[in-house]
Amino acid sequence: NAGVMQNPRHLVRRRGQEARLRCSPMKGHSHVYWYRQLPEEGLKFMVYLQKENIIDESGMPKERFSAEFPKEGPSILRIQQVVRGDSAAYFCASSPTGATGELFFGEGSRLTVL
Amino acid sequence: AQSVTQLGSHVSVSEGALVLLRCNYSSSVPPYLFWYVQYPNQGLQLLLKYTTGATLVKGINGFEAEFKKSETSFHLTKPSAHMSDAAEYFCAVIPPRDGNNRKLIWGLGTSLAVNP
Repeated sequence: NAGVMQNPRHLVRRRGQEARLRCSPMKGHSHVYWYRQLPEEGLKFMVYLQKENIIDESGMPKERFSAEFPKEGPSILRIQQVVRGDSAAYFCASSPTGATGELFFGEGSRLTVL
Repeated sequence: AQSVTQLGSHVSVSEGALVLLRCNYSSSVPPYLFWYVQYPNQGLQLLLKYTTGATLVKGINGFEAEFKKSETSFHLTKPSAHMSDAAEYFCAVIPPRDGNNRKLIWGLGTSLAVNP
């Protein structure tokens, strides 16, 4: 029973490049959440998606960041024209419903921007 | 705005000693409460949660937490620390009137070190 799968685990980009982070939720889970984790800042909610819909993107920067969860395939968090400040661990979590508080996290994607 | 405070960003205990990690929330109405654990280079994993009912909640790996409304606290304890307990621990809450996962409010985490 596979858990939440994220890839790549580590990604290095130069300033100005694009970063694509992928997340496959647990089987049977239709709710996906993306978080960013920075040292000393804790976990920050970015976006909440269900299949083909962005439900809440209030935590995502308005520029350069986008997310999708297509009908087929993984959820993708896309960061365009990366800057050094985007360096962080990005975690995806899924849940079977939207309201239990129990999230199942992937192992994260660690983005380093040179 | 509701907040979660974890007192002590770093806690160090000896193997076999009591583990006590503190969490306080700010809310006039008790929220749903959670503890998650993050082992090095891994994602977070739910340890235990309180929604309603018995205020002493037991979780995995021998951890438990007690909801104390009068103290607005949800401290995490384990009677005897094991080396494998070394990890980052996060307290989180959901406001009771908006029980949606995206509303989870996270503490900054407490890093637990266990010394041999």
